Amino acid sequence: GDSVTQTEGLVTLTEGLPVMLNCTYQTIYSNPFLFWYVQHLNESPRLLLKSFTDNKRTEHQGFHATLHKSSSSFHLQKSSAQLSDSALYYCALSSASSGSWQLIFGSGTQLTVMP
Amino acid sequence: DPKIIQKPKYLVAVTGSEKILICEQYLGHNAMYWYRQSAKKPLEFMFSYSYQKLMDNQTASSRFQPQSSKKNHLDLQITALKPDDSATYFCASSQGTGEGDTQYFGPGTRLLVL
Repeated sequence: GDSVTQTEGLVTLTEGLPVMLNCTYQTIYSNPFLFWYVQHLNESPRLLLKSFTDNKRTEHQGFHATLHKSSSSFHLQKSSAQLSDSALYYCALSSASSGSWQLIFGSGTQLTVMP
Repeated sequence: DPKIIQKPKYLVAVTGSEKILICEQYLGHNAMYWYRQSAKKPLEFMFSYSYQKLMDNQTASSRFQPQSSKKNHLDLQITALKPDDSATYFCASSQGTGEGDTQYFGPGTRLLVL
């Protein structure tokens, strides 16, 4: 079935350094829709960005990601981390493997930015 | 004003009891969902509804029953509660049920089963 893999459970880095959170996926669909959701402590997940266009960079709030169908990847990046970026980040895939579209989430990456 | 309301915010229950989690959305969306988040499984899809009709059910147990009395309401009834049901339950909604429709999450109900 469809799946999303986020290899890093925890990422800790210093403020000002670049951020890269990995996301790969498996799906039978040739035009998958990928999402990044961010969840701050004691809050609910909210959409950060989404894309379905191959090799096109999508940007929002300083973060960017590019869907690469050739490698089934949708990594999240930011040039310079801020303390406020500390949060749980989920990569998600839109899947209809059970008949209707639903989001399949990866296991999440907890990003901690230190001063 | 919050656009998705979930009640209660916190809930403590005893094993074997029954609880209802409330969700109302005021975004004018046609689709609603329930997700569960626990330490064991981060964000897990449970149900989806569109125009008050069940679209998808990924919950193995019949102890979990969604109830939709109005288009903008999707409650979740949980019977015979178990400690493993302890989790945060998020309600979400989207304009449609298309592949790229953005889902907006409510604040969640944190359930603890003793």
